[in-house]
Amino acid sequence: AQSVTQLGSHVSVSEGALVLLRCNYSSSVPPYLFWYVQYPNQGLQLLLKYTSAATLVKGINDFEAEFKKSETSFHLTKPSAHMSDAAEYFCAVSPTGTASKLTFGTGTRLQVTL
Amino acid sequence: EAGVTQFPSHSVIEKGQTVTLRCDPISGHDNLYWYRRVMGKEIKFLLHFVKESKQDESGMPNNRFLAERTGGTYSTLKVQPAELEDSGVYFCASSQEDRGRSSSFFGQGTRLTVV
Repeated sequence: AQSVTQLGSHVSVSEGALVLLRCNYSSSVPPYLFWYVQYPNQGLQLLLKYTSAATLVKGINDFEAEFKKSETSFHLTKPSAHMSDAAEYFCAVSPTGTASKLTFGTGTRLQVTL
Repeated sequence: EAGVTQFPSHSVIEKGQTVTLRCDPISGHDNLYWYRRVMGKEIKFLLHFVKESKQDESGMPNNRFLAERTGGTYSTLKVQPAELEDSGVYFCASSQEDRGRSSSFFGQGTRLTVV
């Protein structure tokens, strides 16, 4: 069985500061890992995905995440927050492929302040 | 190219009534998923279609929920009769397996409120 834990339901950062959203996973097989973002009144949009090709994954809007097997983590980072990054972020895992059923974390709402 | 489309965007119904949610996947996507997010909790898998066949319906809460995918195109999710605990946001996603290159694309969701 797979599970995802997102530490911190709400994170607040200043504009220009580092964004760090935490995600730990549990999987009985090598996982596929994802970060999705939901902007207000929109659907879920894929930010990036890990498929075992490279441990450091770069996504859209300067987001990146690093897969650390020893820590079972897949934390999302962005060097400099922008007001437009305010949204809810979801980490997800799939055991079987990038186009398969996903198990989500509870989400982290990112607030960006001036 | 059109994305995943869901109708309606919002629905408010009384307990005991019936509601039908619709999802139009991206054209050509064989996989169609339904998920639900109850307020404050994680997004949970409900079921998975491959074309018109139910591949996995292990997440369906109970027999008040009925999902169909006519002809392998659009899908409907009917809740009959609705209960208060059915309130939440229902997401639909579609994907086409492509040797690890594809991903699931999500619709905007239908916010269902049962009063």
